[in-house]
Amino acid sequence: DADVTQTPRNRITKTGKRIMLECSQTKGHDRMYWYRQDPGLGLRLIYYSFDVKDINKGEISDGYSVSRQAQAKFSLSLESAIPNQTALYFCATSNREYNEQFFGPGTRLTVL
Amino acid sequence: RKEVEQDPGPFNVPEGATVAFNCTYSNSASQSFFWYRQDCRKEPKLLMSVYSSGNEDGRFTAQLNRASQYISLLIRDSKLSDSATYLCVVNVRTNAGKSTFGDGTTLTVKP
Repeated sequence: DADVTQTPRNRITKTGKRIMLECSQTKGHDRMYWYRQDPGLGLRLIYYSFDVKDINKGEISDGYSVSRQAQAKFSLSLESAIPNQTALYFCATSNREYNEQFFGPGTRLTVL
Repeated sequence: RKEVEQDPGPFNVPEGATVAFNCTYSNSASQSFFWYRQDCRKEPKLLMSVYSSGNEDGRFTAQLNRASQYISLLIRDSKLSDSATYLCVVNVRTNAGKSTFGDGTTLTVKP
């Protein structure tokens, strides 16, 4: 089984809809992250969480919110989706301040 | 100026070639460094960490130059399967827990 899983893997939605992307991990890591990647561009950090009670905004948090329901679960919500949020979304985990990050398989989101 | 910069390429090389990528970083407080590999439409995966003394893993060699603030990745005897985008990642102590990713360098190895 994969250590970091994301659901759904693909989603098509309409402008204005609320959508939630979910991430679960079995690595026992404290730190979890949400990134988006646009075609031909690098990864951009949306939100990150160092533990269940610690949530921090990344560089592009506007239009997104998150929930850390447990150490193993970190959800990303788009309250009112818009077309420029069409992207590939990755969840990642890490267990130490300078340790490498482990990524989920990604969610491909299309907002029409 | 971006915190982490990479030559986007693409680098098109024949099988068996040696190819090198550089990545420059702007923050002198950077503490740890990594190279990731990302295949098209897939998640990034750790290729190797980069240590001050340099490190080698088979055909791959990573080096760090703190004075000039860059890291490098050398791939020897390129294989078709090496075709991918290579991401440079830098962690800065003051950004504890956050990594800064380069935009990636695309490599295509041709028969």
